[in-house]
Amino acid sequence: DTAVSQTPKYLVTQMGNDKSIKCEQNLGHDTMYWYKQDSKKFLKIMFSYNNKELIINETVPNRFSPKSPDKAHLNLHINSLELGDSAVYFCASSWGTGADTQYFGPGTRLTVL
Amino acid sequence: QKEVEQNSGPLSVPEGAIASLNCTYSDRGSQSFFWYRQYSGKSPELIMFIYSNGDKEDGRFTAQLNKASQYVSLLIRDSQPSDSATYLCAVNRAGAGSYQLTFGKGTKLSVIP
Repeated sequence: DTAVSQTPKYLVTQMGNDKSIKCEQNLGHDTMYWYKQDSKKFLKIMFSYNNKELIINETVPNRFSPKSPDKAHLNLHINSLELGDSAVYFCASSWGTGADTQYFGPGTRLTVL
Repeated sequence: QKEVEQNSGPLSVPEGAIASLNCTYSDRGSQSFFWYRQYSGKSPELIMFIYSNGDKEDGRFTAQLNKASQYVSLLIRDSQPSDSATYLCAVNRAGAGSYQLTFGKGTKLSVIP
């Protein structure tokens, strides 16, 4: 059984388009996260939701909008895609706070042409 | 600026040797420390976590924490080629209920057969 799943696995699109990435976890966790891993492999937090409430909103362009319809799902919508948005986006989940182990999804490789 | 620093490597060790991976952090109040392993093209997976000063052992892995020196390390005994990966140090920011997990840039380990 997949614990944290993301779709799609690969996403290739043109600059200026709008795209969404979906994430689901079946671990019963309360907290979900979005991370961006750039070409230099640096993993950086973007957003965190706890029980559908936005907890962390790092310095991310407002073209990125997360949405959590329930605590098992956290989606990421990106408007007006730019070349610099090309990266691997990881979803993760944990029981509670950052002190708890985070479980990562397989990642979505976004390529903006 | 709260930071987690690691040598990027690559760190090359012969098979069977001990690999030593180091990490320093700037937030003196940090409370929880994690080591994640990431194979190329895959998502990070937890190896160990440590909360208290001293050593914590799990099989071939030992995590060491020294809060006074703001230093955490991971030792891998009897290194195997399958240990070749990037190792990410992650630190939970201080503060009750903090959801923030800050990652270092990772150390690439190569175990030579």
